[in-house]
Amino acid sequence: GAVVSQHPSRVICKSGTSVKIECRSLDFQATTMFWYRQFPKKSLMLMATSNEGSKATYEQGVEKDKFLINHASLTLSTLTVTSAHPEDSSFYICSARGTSGSSFLYNEQFFGPGTRLTVL
Amino acid sequence: DQQVKQNSPSLSVQEGRISILNCDYTNSMFDYFLWYKKYPAEGPTFLISISSIKDKNEDGRFTVFLNKSAKHLSLHIVPSQPGDSAVYFCAASAVTGNQFYFGTGTSLTVIP
Repeated sequence: GAVVSQHPSRVICKSGTSVKIECRSLDFQATTMFWYRQFPKKSLMLMATSNEGSKATYEQGVEKDKFLINHASLTLSTLTVTSAHPEDSSFYICSARGTSGSSFLYNEQFFGPGTRLTVL
Repeated sequence: DQQVKQNSPSLSVQEGRISILNCDYTNSMFDYFLWYKKYPAEGPTFLISISSIKDKNEDGRFTVFLNKSAKHLSLHIVPSQPGDSAVYFCAASAVTGNQFYFGTGTSLTVIP
């Protein structure tokens, strides 16, 4: 149990276009989802935290108009990179945290496989 | 400000020997700690966790030790296997918060 999927796994786009990345919890309800970005040889950088039905909370330095996050349901969150530029090229990873009713699901974060974005 | 630190970016160990990965944290409010393993171009996978009420948690070849007074935790892998070669991240969270704070990772290479 506790599987998180991401789609697409890889995307290559032209500069100026927008890209949407989906994160789904497949077998549990995720009240909270997190979006991370990983630069080469760097740690996971938390970009934003989203709770179902409310606005995402962005970390300092992350442009909310650039990285649009929608957490429309308990199993789906989307990250849209708007007007992508080459510097947005990175590995984007989502994670999901379950409801407090299950300590296992609540205490852990379950990560998706990541999405490699390349902006030409 | 990095609240969770992994000061060794890389570690090489012979197969069969012990791997010890270290992690330090600064926030005394952290009370739940986890280790994740990550292969290139994949998402992290959960390995083992420990809450602050314990000082040791063991799962097969993996043992995590927590020293609260020193704000230090370590992951021991015994015996190390080539398939353990990956980047290991430690993470910490406080009971009242949602956010996990990650260290910068240690790249472990187990030499056959």
